[in-house]
Amino acid sequence: GQNIDQPTEMTATEGAIVQINCTYQTSGFNGLFWYQQHAGEAPTFLSYNVLDGLEEKGRFSSFLSRSKGYSYLLLKELQMKDSASYLCAVRKDYKLSFGAGTTVTVRA
Amino acid sequence: GAVVSQHPSWVICKSGTSVKIECRSLDFQATTMFWYRQFPKQSLMLMATSNEGSKATYEQGVEKDKFLINHASLTLSTLTVTSAHPEDSSFYICSAREGTNDYEQYFGPGTRLTVT
Repeated sequence: GQNIDQPTEMTATEGAIVQINCTYQTSGFNGLFWYQQHAGEAPTFLSYNVLDGLEEKGRFSSFLSRSKGYSYLLLKELQMKDSASYLCAVRKDYKLSFGAGTTVTVRA
Repeated sequence: GAVVSQHPSWVICKSGTSVKIECRSLDFQATTMFWYRQFPKQSLMLMATSNEGSKATYEQGVEKDKFLINHASLTLSTLTVTSAHPEDSSFYICSAREGTNDYEQYFGPGTRLTVT
């Protein structure tokens, strides 16, 4: 089975840093995705981790520890437009299993 | 590149009727398409996987006779919700995979279905 956990909600102020954690217990692992989803819209790709370590891409970074079944998404220099839901998804072969998502609210 | 469209964006139908949702890959050929369902404040749940020209593979608990999937070409897959009921009201999202070695899925904008 697939068990993917993320916090439900997080709030931060504009310009701050927020870290969204994701823990997983899955039958099989080929990689981990992070997606951003605005309400009523499709998820958009943010990052993909296969190996342990940190992947940095502009204001967003993602970290993976396969031995701990743990990942985090780091959002720096928060902007109002970053208010959205952030989904952690584990890939096994060609299938994705999603967490319930973390709603991030950025306040001025 | 890698754009996926869905039609319609939203649909309201009466209980007992059937609704067809289209998913198209606009600028690439999709070897595999996926259909997800998302209830409010919940995660995307994979319903089925379809490969062009073959029958869809449904996830456990998804009724294949209720959710008919047709992947007639490399750029089009359709999901038909048959005899829809209010509990089928949800956000339906498709995604597409370009190549057999491509792990990334490109998501469509979703279809909001409301059954009254």
